[in-house]
Amino acid sequence: QVQLRESGPGLVKPSETLSLTCNVSGYSMSRGYYWGWIRQSPGKGLEWIGNIYHSGPTYYNPSLRSRVTMSVDKSKNQFSMRLTSVTAADTAVYFCARGVYYAGSGSYHESWGRGTLVSVSS
Amino acid sequence: ETLLTQSPGTLSLSPGERATLSCRASQAINSNYLAWYQQRPGQAPRLLIYAASTRAAGIPDRFSGSGTGTDFTLTVSRLEPEDFAQYYCQQYGISPQTFGQGTKVEMK
Repeated sequence: QVQLRESGPGLVKPSETLSLTCNVSGYSMSRGYYWGWIRQSPGKGLEWIGNIYHSGPTYYNPSLRSRVTMSVDKSKNQFSMRLTSVTAADTAVYFCARGVYYAGSGSYHESWGRGTLVSVSS
Repeated sequence: ETLLTQSPGTLSLSPGERATLSCRASQAINSNYLAWYQQRPGQAPRLLIYAASTRAAGIPDRFSGSGTGTDFTLTVSRLEPEDFAQYYCQQYGISPQTFGQGTKVEMK
């Protein structure tokens, strides 16, 4: 059974870059599925950030596209996310997830990590 | 982007009762690409239903989904103690995918 676990700093300063990694176990990312990030904050609820396929195609939420980058490291069976120029509005619990993606539309998320709280504050 | 409005905001019920949760979209969802998730406090969301009516693996058959177009429903036929939680709908038929604001099912 696939398991996902997020890791990264719990505190980031405003204007800096938030970097998170999701370690995948129990399933080889190279076999398929899309891999994504979703965040949850009291103010905005659940918000999809983006998805990446093991071979590289990425799909980002237009509201974050100018600031987000995702990548895959197949040798480590993990994927990562970078969000630049963060503000207090980026404070949230960040989840990584495995998704079933439909071309031209989006994905549902069938397995989730436990989430990691990231606070943006000086 | 597509707005999903869930109602009611809170549902107060007793174990054994039937729960009916609504999710209304601001535009018709392509191919009924609508999912439902359950979230308990301190936990990640858990996929219950996808494609509007298909139960995810391991989900009890007391959970059922229905609907098409802009109106979707999640029904829990008989509430078990572990079903008292927050529920979210998500559409993935129109990019960008979006989530509803949630319905809390609380014990009366």
